[in-house]
Amino acid sequence: EAEVAQSPRYKITEKSQAVAFWCDPISGHATLYWYRQILGQGPELLVQFQDESVVDDSQLPKDRFSAERLKGVDSTLKIQPAELGDSAMYLCASSLGPGLGQETQYFGPGTRLLVL
Amino acid sequence: KQEVTQIPAALSVPEGENLVLNCSFTDSAIYNLQWFRQDPGKGLTSLLLIQSSQREQTSGRLNASLDKSSGRSTLYIAASQPGDSATYLCAVNTGNQFYFGTGTSLTVIP
Repeated sequence: EAEVAQSPRYKITEKSQAVAFWCDPISGHATLYWYRQILGQGPELLVQFQDESVVDDSQLPKDRFSAERLKGVDSTLKIQPAELGDSAMYLCASSLGPGLGQETQYFGPGTRLLVL
Repeated sequence: KQEVTQIPAALSVPEGENLVLNCSFTDSAIYNLQWFRQDPGKGLTSLLLIQSSQREQTSGRLNASLDKSSGRSTLYIAASQPGDSATYLCAVNTGNQFYFGTGTSLTVIP
């Protein structure tokens, strides 16, 4: 069964350093999502891509976070500089598309980030 | 802004019991609602997705219902098993944003 791949699975960094996370969605999935999940809370949507275009990044802290999906396939989420409050699980999900019957989201295993 | 609430936050039941998890949302203008399970330290697994025009969806021992006008969804689990122990999250899709609840942590005791 096809899965969403994410790497690394775990990342420890010091504050003010740069970190990057990678996501490879299920083949053929046009829509890709990045979420942040703080321990004990539900995921919060950071950015949504439709192919290579950003559909929604209203919750992305743009002063330090950036996301790209240059060829409309895999995606990278970057934080620079990292802050203590960025410690969380970063989840990537994909779906076939926004159309009716295509919206089921499939999640990767996540990247757990710890900022010291 | 849409707010999604899940009650109870935690639930412990003996194996074999039928149970209901609740999800409520403040704005009934939704596109669909999806239920997920999350095992500790892992990603989310999709269980059921209900379109705004549907009343319920079933998959095996799971049944999810949606009452959009009252802003409520329930996830019914029949004949619970220890393997059902996980956190269950609901997510509301408004068409341009996704809002998750904080989840219900379920423990099924053998």
